[in-house]
Amino acid sequence: GAVVSQHPSRVICKSGTSVKIECRSLDFQATTMFWYRQFPKQSLMLMATSNEGSKATYEQGVEKDKFLINHASLTLSTLTVTSAHPEDSSFYICSAVRTVNSNQPQHFGDGTRLSIL
Amino acid sequence: AQSVTQPDIHITVSEGASLELRCNYSYGATPYLFWYVQSPGQGLQLLLKYFSGDTLVQGIKGFEAEFKRSQSSFNLRKPSVHWSDAAEYFCAVGALYSSASKIIFGSGTRLSIRP
Repeated sequence: GAVVSQHPSRVICKSGTSVKIECRSLDFQATTMFWYRQFPKQSLMLMATSNEGSKATYEQGVEKDKFLINHASLTLSTLTVTSAHPEDSSFYICSAVRTVNSNQPQHFGDGTRLSIL
Repeated sequence: AQSVTQPDIHITVSEGASLELRCNYSYGATPYLFWYVQSPGQGLQLLLKYFSGDTLVQGIKGFEAEFKRSQSSFNLRKPSVHWSDAAEYFCAVGALYSSASKIIFGSGTRLSIRP
């Protein structure tokens, strides 16, 4: 159980394009989802916390107008990188938690490799 | 300040040898501790977690970790590694009973296996 699906796994696009990444919890309801960014050979950097039905909470230094997050249902959160530029190229990973306050671990998707030309 | 330290950036062990990956944390609240493994180009898989009870926890793939409050450590061990264990390992800490469920990751330890 606790499967998180992330799509697409890889995307290559031109500078200026907007890219949407989906994160789905396949076999459980996720009240909270997280979006991370990972640079090569580095750890995960939390970008934002996404709660179903409310606005995402962004970490300091993360541009909310650049990285649009929508958590419209208990099984789906999306991250849209707007007007992407080469410096946005990175590995983006989402995770989902079953319920808040239940001490459940985060379950991670397989990540999306974003390359902006 | 809340932090997680993995002092070893890269470790190489021979196949069949024992393994210990170090993790130290600094956390103001009661910690909730995790070890995750990441294969190249993949997401993270949970190996094990600890938040209460027996301080020696068993995880998947033959891994175990021991929580030592006095040392603020949560080291990961495996008695005999396999070539398939080569990956990046992340220690993480979260706040127990927190509504945020946010966790902090260490910088990771890359494990290589010598044939």
